[in-house]
Amino acid sequence: AQTVTQSQPEMSVQEAETVTLSCTYDTSESDYYLFWYKQPPSRQMILVIRQEAYKQQNATENRFSVNFQKAAKSFSLKISDSQLGDAAMYFCAYRSAGDMRFGAGTRLTVKP
Amino acid sequence: NAGVTQTPKFQVLKTGQSMTLQCAQDMNHEYMSWYRQDPGMGLRLIHYSVGAGITDQGEVPNGYNVSRSTTEDFPLRLLSAAPSQTSVYFCASSHSVTNEKLFFGSGTQLSVL
Repeated sequence: AQTVTQSQPEMSVQEAETVTLSCTYDTSESDYYLFWYKQPPSRQMILVIRQEAYKQQNATENRFSVNFQKAAKSFSLKISDSQLGDAAMYFCAYRSAGDMRFGAGTRLTVKP
Repeated sequence: NAGVTQTPKFQVLKTGQSMTLQCAQDMNHEYMSWYRQDPGMGLRLIHYSVGAGITDQGEVPNGYNVSRSTTEDFPLRLLSAAPSQTSVYFCASSHSVTNEKLFFGSGTQLSVL
């Protein structure tokens, strides 16, 4: 079964600084998608960014970008110019022609 | 456009009681699923459905039943609630079973005393 591992239960960043959240996954599939979801205190699950495994180019969405290393099965999220509104739980997720599997999450704190 | 609607938002049950968490989507999505979220464990899949009349088990199906009689609705039933089922429950859907993002409901906080 596919597994997703987030090794950082908590991270902290100063406002306007950059932070990187780590994620690794295990799969034998060649075609899959990877996702980062944000969950603020409102509990809503918000898609931050998505990466197709067949694309070598790393996905970017404004201040959010990923470092996708397919051979290493690594998928980290970089948040640049961190803002107070970025404080949330962040979940890494994997999906391949079926259900989506999630990591345990990383709680990000942003210090003013 | 309502998206994925879950009811109720909060529920308190006594051990042994039964209840149904409702989930409905208005996006004509084929794929629907239920997750539970527990501290330190992320979201774990309970049951999922790839279309009306088709359901299957996820990682943690014990104690839960589902059915999918229409494309829109995917209710989750707790047959005899236990304290171990205290959790936040999310319903999610996507257009197909391929590698698309999931659309999530707003969640149900369930406490079993």
